[in-house]
Amino acid sequence: DGGITQSPKYLFRKEGQNVTLSCEQNLNHDAMYWYRQDPGQGLRLIYYSQIVNDFQKGDIAEGYSVSREKKESFPLTVTSAQKNPTAFYLCASSIERDTEAFFGQGTRLTVV
Amino acid sequence: DAKTTQPPSMDCAEGRAANLPCNHSTISGNEYVYWYRQIHSQGPQYIIHGLKNNETNEMASLIITEDRKSSTLILPHATLRDTAVYYCIVRVVNNQGGKLIFGQGTELSVKP
Repeated sequence: DGGITQSPKYLFRKEGQNVTLSCEQNLNHDAMYWYRQDPGQGLRLIYYSQIVNDFQKGDIAEGYSVSREKKESFPLTVTSAQKNPTAFYLCASSIERDTEAFFGQGTRLTVV
Repeated sequence: DAKTTQPPSMDCAEGRAANLPCNHSTISGNEYVYWYRQIHSQGPQYIIHGLKNNETNEMASLIITEDRKSSTLILPHATLRDTAVYYCIVRVVNNQGGKLIFGQGTELSVKP
């Protein structure tokens, strides 16, 4: 079945360590997005990529990095520079000219 | 990107219609109105979208005012499973898919 997969669902890391969250889609979508959600809050855009080898900062990019080497994959690295990394991270994708974005089920990152 | 304003919470009786309002007074001519919903700790689910005309699908109806400054999402016969946070989003749809910028959403509680 086509879809967007985030892994792992739960992730624990020690403070000061970088961690990479996986996002893979087999929908042949050009655009991919990363969002962060804090408890009781809406989603905030971290980074987005509209095409392979290209990406732009969203509203809260500081402390995060991404790559888009393949159309299917858009991994997000949470670096030690991110002051409050504990959050729920959501990845999404959409196709050129389409009007619907599909979301993964999210990764809940806890930094201790 | 235009911003949206939604009430933080609403209640609805099971079996009745749920009418969720959204204000988007700064919407531009090329921005669509989208609705997503998010059940706790899951990825957002697309519901419906529109530009100028009213839209209906198997999940809901979307009523957009003539001046496009507000809209209403209608769930015709709400069930307990419709309890979720509903997000109204305005989005520029371009060749690259467009960004989704989320607000705080409306927490809908459907009660028996």
